[in-house]
Amino acid sequence: DIRMTQSPASLSASLGETVNIECLASEDIYSDLAWYQQKPGKSPQLLIYNANSLQNGVPSRFSGSGSGTQYSLKINSLQSEDVATYFCQQYNNYPWTFGGGTKLELK
Amino acid sequence: QIQLVQSGPELKKPGESVKISCKASGYTFTDYAMHWVKQAPGKGLKWMGWINTYTGKPTYADDFKGRFVFSLEASASTANLQISNLKNEDTATYFCARSGRVAYFDYWGQGVMVTVSS
Repeated sequence: DIRMTQSPASLSASLGETVNIECLASEDIYSDLAWYQQKPGKSPQLLIYNANSLQNGVPSRFSGSGSGTQYSLKINSLQSEDVATYFCQQYNNYPWTFGGGTKLELK
Repeated sequence: QIQLVQSGPELKKPGESVKISCKASGYTFTDYAMHWVKQAPGKGLKWMGWINTYTGKPTYADDFKGRFVFSLEASASTANLQISNLKNEDTATYFCARSGRVAYFDYWGQGVMVTVSS
């Protein structure tokens, strides 16, 4: 199975700040990577697919980048509604696997 | 609008069975795959497998072979997850999620909390 390692596991940032979350795959996943946002008690919501494509309706302050085994999610100008846990997911090789999550809080 | 609406919370005893439903609306059900994802309390997401909504063929991740069954009521645009011989470690929220030909999940159900306790 492809192991997805997210860092950091938790993060505290101020409103308006830029935040970066990293996801490292145990092997090359050829940009077959998605990012999701999950708020407490809610289902995950797709933010980014194919490593850098923004899902319809997602604010442009979210962006994804990376290739090979290293990927990142960037949130520009952090808003209060961005407080959530973020997960990466690879869909290059069965079984599809998720990172352990990054919990983002406000400082 | 596209929606996946799941059935309500379940409280079961070890050894019992449970069946969870996921009713899709707002799109052609058979044009998209349906996946199942497990989230144990306070934990991350684990992909359980998927069902081809056109052929009805299920595919299970290794950890979910044996006691887990994916099925369809295609005429009702509904996917089901049945878990038999429930164990304490099955306590979790179970999500259904839709994907196209590429397996990222663009719509999710609201989740069903299954609690297994004696």
